[in-house]
Amino acid sequence: AQSVTQPDIHITVSEGASLELRCNYSYGATPYLFWYVQSPGQGLQLLLKYFSGDTLVQGIKGFEAEFKRSQSSFNLRKPSVHWSDAAEYFCAVELGQAGTALIFGKGTTLSVSS
Amino acid sequence: GAVVSQHPSWVICKSGTSVKIECRSLDFQATTMFWYRQFPKQSLMLMATSNEGSKATYEQGVEKDKFLINHASLTLSTLTVTSAHPEDSSFYICSATKYRGMDEQYFGPGTRLTVT
Repeated sequence: AQSVTQPDIHITVSEGASLELRCNYSYGATPYLFWYVQSPGQGLQLLLKYFSGDTLVQGIKGFEAEFKRSQSSFNLRKPSVHWSDAAEYFCAVELGQAGTALIFGKGTTLSVSS
Repeated sequence: GAVVSQHPSWVICKSGTSVKIECRSLDFQATTMFWYRQFPKQSLMLMATSNEGSKATYEQGVEKDKFLINHASLTLSTLTVTSAHPEDSSFYICSATKYRGMDEQYFGPGTRLTVT
């Protein structure tokens, strides 16, 4: 069955330090890949997406992600974390044609320490 | 833009009553809308896929008679939780896509349902 794994449940990073959130997927073909951020009690905001082409994707708020087909991974990175980045981060995949339902990972909670 | 709204944002209802949640695409016509459920500190789980003018497709384990979905127009889908129970308390989030093809889902802000 298709699945999305986010190995880290909770990560704490110092403000100004770099960040990498991991995401692996299990699927025979290359799915469409997304990273979303959710602040407490809020809906989801799309950070970035990968459909095809350049495997390094730039998103909003200074985030980027790299698709590695050989590792079935789509890790999210940010070179310098700000306190406002503290939130829940979800990796998601969309199988087959875009416009179908998303499969979400369990999420990673990011805390930022001063 | 592509804005999706949900109403209400927060609702409390008594056990045994029904509650309706609306999901609207404000500036585009949505070919498909999705309903997700999120338990505290957990991920989103797809409940059903809704296409305008046709019956919703429910995921395995989701009771279609309890969670009634109506997609009456290209800009509105509703989720009605019937005979609500405390275990139905959750965060319900809808999303919408503009068209099939290389497109993303646009998410609503969610509705917090508390059943007392």
